[in-house]
Amino acid sequence: QSALTQPPSVSGAPGQRVTISCTGSSSDIGAGYDVHWYQQLPGTAPKLLIYGDNNRPSGVPDRFSGSKSGTSASLAITGLQAEDEADYYCQSYDSSLRGSVFGGGTKLTVL
Amino acid sequence: EVQLVESGGGLIQPGGSLRLSCAVSGFTVSSDYVTWVRQAPGKGLEWVAVIYYAGSTYYADSVKGRFTISRDNSKNTVYLQMNRLSAEDTAVYYCARETHDYSNNGCFDYWGQGTLVTVSS
Repeated sequence: QSALTQPPSVSGAPGQRVTISCTGSSSDIGAGYDVHWYQQLPGTAPKLLIYGDNNRPSGVPDRFSGSKSGTSASLAITGLQAEDEADYYCQSYDSSLRGSVFGGGTKLTVL
Repeated sequence: EVQLVESGGGLIQPGGSLRLSCAVSGFTVSSDYVTWVRQAPGKGLEWVAVIYYAGSTYYADSVKGRFTISRDNSKNTVYLQMNRLSAEDTAVYYCARETHDYSNNGCFDYWGQGTLVTVSS
């Protein structure tokens, strides 16, 4: 069981908007630790997509955005494209474990 | 250009040991954080261990006491020594740079390509 909870799957048609939730606890997200998001295309290493709750590394389209409130965070993807089909993971830090924690991952299907 | 290249994976029998290497270029391991993350077949990402620039090390409960993260500054390489391996350790192991430049807790901005460890008799 992952420390952070994500829905196993989400889907949307091209051009639509989807959101992926990430729920933590008072020892990770709720303690004020930042949430980061990763995109993993099939057969490849994860790629940093969002850092520090809502910041995009250079080269990441502004169709991707992040937000956080309380013990939860969300990744939003607007203007869905076929190339967005991938697995998405949230990550934060758990002070009780003294280490990083990941969500279980969400598979995005573009219909 | 930052690069991380893992090596050392392979097939190992239960109870055996294996040492993974993560050769780094583009940054200095003694001045940064390097982490190991694993992914079992068809499963999600699991944080395994981290070594801080100051030398401190931290481990996931699932590997504590069995795995050891270390580094060789002269080779700019980080290692993961894995002992008493079991089938549950079968996974692709990635090393990644953990940066604290933009956040109060680290994110992983550069990743290696991964190395597969299979524990089976």
